[in-house]
Amino acid sequence: GENVEQHPSTLSVQEGDSAVIKCTYSDSASNYFPWYKQELGKRPQLIIDIRSNVGEKKDQRIAVTLNKTAKHFSLHITETQPEDSAVYFCAATEFWSGAGSYQLTFGKGTKLSVIP
Amino acid sequence: GAGVSQSPSNKVTEKGKDVELRCDPISGHTALYWYRQSLGQGLEFLIYFQGNSAPDKSGLPSDRFSAERTGGSVSTLTIQRTQQEDSAVYLCASSFRDTPQETQYFGPGTRLLVL
Repeated sequence: GENVEQHPSTLSVQEGDSAVIKCTYSDSASNYFPWYKQELGKRPQLIIDIRSNVGEKKDQRIAVTLNKTAKHFSLHITETQPEDSAVYFCAATEFWSGAGSYQLTFGKGTKLSVIP
Repeated sequence: GAGVSQSPSNKVTEKGKDVELRCDPISGHTALYWYRQSLGQGLEFLIYFQGNSAPDKSGLPSDRFSAERTGGSVSTLTIQRTQQEDSAVYLCASSFRDTPQETQYFGPGTRLLVL
């Protein structure tokens, strides 16, 4: 099925603190998990992704962890800055029965606010 | 190089009218995707193209929605007899290969308002 759950829907943190966003997926065959950042009025942009053969990936202040057994993955942002304020979307490749193919299914997004 | 572009950026129409939204993908990208983003909601998959063919139309919300892609490049999303619930931002994305593991590059979107 096509089901990606994302929590929380909103998150406020003080500048310098860490932020964690969690997603769960339903298809055990999912093998690609990207994260997109969408600033207000702008297009979504890929910030980091992870594939199913890796448990963790880091890129400067951003990291993503994947637990395939539990079918959940998380985005971690350390030392948050005001420019991190945006909506973050997780996604997972899930099977779409309509055409018998895998497509990206997106979570509903998390609005992150970093308070200076 | 140029990214994904969409036109118009904003469209206001009256209920019952038809609208046509355009997407210009990144040159050489095989796959093209259409999503809908309602206010405060996530990205709802509508349709994708491999080249000119659309093997998956299951995401289209009703038969008033249709899309085509010609020449493996530009795509148009047409909404007939628009309804107020069609108001949303329509996003297009493209990727180099037609596998879901490829990075999708998004356009700026078309903001549609149906009065």
